[in-house]
Amino acid sequence: QVQLQESGPGLVKPSQTLSLTCTVSGGSINSGGYYWSWIRQHPGKGLEWIGYIYYSGTTYYNPSLKSRVTISVDTSKNQFSVNLTSVTAADTAVYYCARFPDSSGLIDYWGQGTLVTVSS
Amino acid sequence: DIVMTQSPDSLAVSLGERATINCKSSQSVLYSSNNKNYLAWYQQKPGQPPKVLIYWASTRESGVPDRFSGSGSGTDFTLTISNLQAEDVAIYYCQQYYSTLPYTFGQGTKLEIK
Repeated sequence: QVQLQESGPGLVKPSQTLSLTCTVSGGSINSGGYYWSWIRQHPGKGLEWIGYIYYSGTTYYNPSLKSRVTISVDTSKNQFSVNLTSVTAADTAVYYCARFPDSSGLIDYWGQGTLVTVSS
Repeated sequence: DIVMTQSPDSLAVSLGERATINCKSSQSVLYSSNNKNYLAWYQQKPGQPPKVLIYWASTRESGVPDRFSGSGSGTDFTLTISNLQAEDVAIYYCQQYYSTLPYTFGQGTKLEIK
């Protein structure tokens, strides 16, 4: 059973960088076949893709966030991470890591999500 | 990007009755080479991540009660929940996974008990 777990600060100051890591267990990122993604959900709102990464390092970023986002993978630790720079209150959200197969975009596993609040 | 539009934004249905949620895509998500609709439905309960209910527009995920059904093709899709139970209170999202990335979601439909 694959499990994903987000970790990182729950509070970030405006203009700083939001950094989260997703640790994958029960499956290897390095085995390929899946995209590893970050999705966020603003309070009481819908789901917004941040971006995703393949084990090879190929990435896709949401154009609306592209200038501020970097997603990276550490296959040795079976983790992937997201950095979002120059955050504002509008970046306050629950951040999920998730997985979907490269043969379809159907998300089969999600982390539980972590609330990140941007506030001074 | 393909835009997914759900209707209604919210609805209230009595226990034991039927709930119907619609999803419309801005372009077809039917892949002609395999005749599959690249459309999924997710259920999200408070404090939880979404969970897939239906994929390929009408295939129920393992373990999902058969009161949940999906239908439609091309650009118009429906999620039907028959014999509504209290545990079905949630927000429901459709998602297309047809186009080049990103695989966009609808805005969500909040289902409550009347």
